Amino acid sequence: QKEVEQDPGPLSVPEGAIVSLNCTYSNSAFQYFMWYRQYSRKGPELLMYTYSSGNKEDGRFTAQVDKSSKYISLFIRDSQPSDSATYLCAMSASFQKLVFGTGTRLLVSP
Amino acid sequence: ETGVTQSPTHLIKTRGQQVTLRCSSQSGHNTVSWYQQALGQGPQFIFQYYREEENGRGNFPPRFSGLQFPNYSSELNVNALELDDSALYLCASSQVDSGGAATKNIQYFGAGTRLSVL
Repeated sequence: QKEVEQDPGPLSVPEGAIVSLNCTYSNSAFQYFMWYRQYSRKGPELLMYTYSSGNKEDGRFTAQVDKSSKYISLFIRDSQPSDSATYLCAMSASFQKLVFGTGTRLLVSP
Repeated sequence: ETGVTQSPTHLIKTRGQQVTLRCSSQSGHNTVSWYQQALGQGPQFIFQYYREEENGRGNFPPRFSGLQFPNYSSELNVNALELDDSALYLCASSQVDSGGAATKNIQYFGAGTRLSVL
């Protein structure tokens, strides 16, 4: 079993829809949680960073962490075609390695 | 743009050869981590360098080695290349304080080097 599970998709939505992306994990030592966006043939770009449990909002993006359920989410409001990319969840217990999910491919159609 | 630069962008090698990939960290960052991303997968941690020494290693064989230089730039070396080494190699930089701890663990990634082994 992988430490971090993420549905690979693809997830197809129409423009303007609310998108929900999720990851589950098994390591209770994880305390840093991140979402990265990766366009094709590019490096991951940090979208959201959360320490421990709680919610964080930044523009159209909201990240939620539920450590009791070992479950994290990213919500995208008013999705745009430019949001089409692969979304990677990542987490860590220390400042060393990040453990990534497989990534969910999102397609937003005009 | 993160300020993390990697070179070269693409590389083609044959099985058994050796390769060196390079990374310049973001200004103000003192720690470099390397990841391997196979097609359709998330990045896998190879190792991290802090104060010019390896500071944590993932499940990769010893033929994967690295260096960090006084200016915090870094190299990833892979010997005896295998077909399965074909992947996108990502470098990420971050800032760790002098006590060896970090209040945040935010790693910023470069665009990667795409390695093809034939």
